[in-house]
Amino acid sequence: GESVGLHLPTLSVQEGDNSIINCAYSNSASDYFIWYKQESGKGPQFIIDIRSNMDKRQGQRVTVLLNKTVKHLSLQIAATQPGDSAVYFCAETTLNAGKSTFGDGTTLTVKP
Amino acid sequence: GAVVSQHPSRVICKSGTSVKIECRSLDFQATTMFWYRQFPKQSLMLMATSNEGSKATYEQGVEKDKFLINHASLTLSTLTVTSAHPEDSSFYICSARDRRGAGTEAFFGQGTRLTVV
Repeated sequence: GESVGLHLPTLSVQEGDNSIINCAYSNSASDYFIWYKQESGKGPQFIIDIRSNMDKRQGQRVTVLLNKTVKHLSLQIAATQPGDSAVYFCAETTLNAGKSTFGDGTTLTVKP
Repeated sequence: GAVVSQHPSRVICKSGTSVKIECRSLDFQATTMFWYRQFPKQSLMLMATSNEGSKATYEQGVEKDKFLINHASLTLSTLTVTSAHPEDSSFYICSARDRRGAGTEAFFGQGTRLTVV
């Protein structure tokens, strides 16, 4: 499954499918981007990050893609599992300041 | 990764009282901590940046006299919600950045659910 548009608030996929969550950021000076997973009632959990001098970074089952030209970030989750169900936020940061600006978030629901 | 502990995780208070929330970095020193607020089904909004040994920097629209921040040591920042009202009910989250400087991520606490009745 794939989210359509830049701010689709929900994404529903079948277990085992790949998921793509998109995010648009606003500050062209941001030099560090992070994806967080937030489960209900908990704080954000770091998933993967990418610096502005890169366009792709891979982790375990996750890949982040950065397109600075259009200020777009995506998170790809391979073989999505029910435990991946959560809200996913992208955050842009300037390393100097350290504070992060969060996107609106996408709710991912994985159907068994 | 580094651990940030937030306490309490959940608090209910009466309208007009004050509530203190603690944010501790457990295995690193943090010169800078950040306080966020999150309303239901919304994103995290930065409230203030807490700097050890100096005054906090508040984001536009955040009342500094209502949300008192103290960062007295390299491992502890506190947020006090003074004269709390029901509209202050929210999820408050802190994050801490390792003092070793630029280029390091900030680590998040588990959040505090504040309910004002």
